[in-house]
Formats: sequence, C-alpha cells, structure tokens
Amino acid sequence: NAGVTQTPKFQVLKTGQSMTLQCAQDMNHEYMSWYRQDPGMGLRLIHYSVGAGITDQGEVPNGYNVSRSTTEDFPLRLLSAAPSQTSVYFCASSYLKIGPNTEAFFGQGTRLTVV
Amino acid sequence: TQLLEQSPQFLSIQEGENLTVYCNSSSVFSSLQWYRQEPGEGPVLLVTVVTGGEVKKLKRLTFQFGDARKDSSLHITAAQTGDTGLYLCAGQSSNYKLTFGKGTLLTVNP
Repeated sequence: NAGVTQTPKFQVLKTGQSMTLQCAQDMNHEYMSWYRQDPGMGLRLIHYSVGAGITDQGEVPNGYNVSRSTTEDFPLRLLSAAPSQTSVYFCASSYLKIGPNTEAFFGQGTRLTVV
Repeated sequence: TQLLEQSPQFLSIQEGENLTVYCNSSSVFSSLQWYRQEPGEGPVLLVTVVTGGEVKKLKRLTFQFGDARKDSSLHITAAQTGDTGLYLCAGQSSNYKLTFGKGTLLTVNP
C-alpha cells in the first residue's frame, strides 16, 4: 500500500520554465489537494478536487493549473515558473468527509527552487 | 476565506513543563484536526474532533473542540524533547475543503 506518492522530491527550475508535479494515491480517496508551505506561512491551499473531473481553487491558485482525469492522479502544473513559487509543495488525499476514523494523508513533499 | 489563527507562533520551553496551543476561527468547521510535522516530512495526524465540546486524550496530549466548533486547543503535559515539532490545526468546512493554520513551532529543551 503506497499511500500518497509525490514526485519529484527536489526540483530546480529557471524562471519561465514549466513543469508538472505528480501526485498519485491508491486509497480510492475522493478528495485530493495541493498545498504550498513557506516559512512562517503554514500550509496554504492551492487547488483541490472532490472527485474525478471536478477541481476548484484554494487560497493561492494563481500560476498553477490542475486536472483530475482519474480518481488516483492529481497533477499540479506550473505554467511559467517564478521565483515567488519557490516553496515546498505537498499533495494530500482523504475521503470526502473527515471524521473520527479518517484522516488526510500527505505525500513526502517536493522542494522546488526557481532561479 | 476561512482563516484559522494559531497561537503562539513560537514556543520554547523546558522539559517537564506544560503548554497549551490555541486554534481559533470565526467560522464553523464540520471537523477539526491536529497534525504534527517534522522537518522535511509531511504532516502526520494526531487527532480529529467532530463534536462541539469534545475532549480527546492521547497519553500526555489533550485536545478540546469548542462548543461552537470554531476553536480548539492542544494541551501537552510534562513536555518531552521528542514533542519538538511544528503543530498544525486544520479545519474541514462544509464543502470538504481542508484549511490549515500557520502552525506553532514547539521546541522542548532538555
């Protein structure tokens, strides 16, 4: 049982380059989301999805695109990387309604540097 | 935007002391969770509370959900150096979105 698999772990981009962060889960979770974590800022929601074919914006969506063609995969695309997107990115998945016996599972994170 | 305010942002204490971390919002949440995060790792769930007024205990950790389901607290008794880490609260709203607070960075000194 792999849980949430996030790749790559590290990435350096030049300003203006594009790239896709991959996220896959094998727990049949409906809910998937992407966060970025900057020092002193906690985790900020970029985009989320409540099921295949459904996505919505979070707090900081600008500069990022997502799609959810399958239940398992939720890739995050940086269209034209900017230094302000230097951050640690986390993908998470969970059942739709979090209760006493459910939780959100997180990937190991991607440390992205834009130079 | 539903905001979760955590306080204090930083906390440095000696081993054996007690501490309380707070998580407050003006919004109602269907559930509230506490996570702990180690450097270089993703957050790991400590507890989920769903009922207003609920109190849960995990060994030396006590979690409370406010009666109105807008706030929560985490109390650690007799802190140990292994409790050092970033503590995050997260609330799930009615549209399933999970929002995090900025976190409390706890350092327990020997």
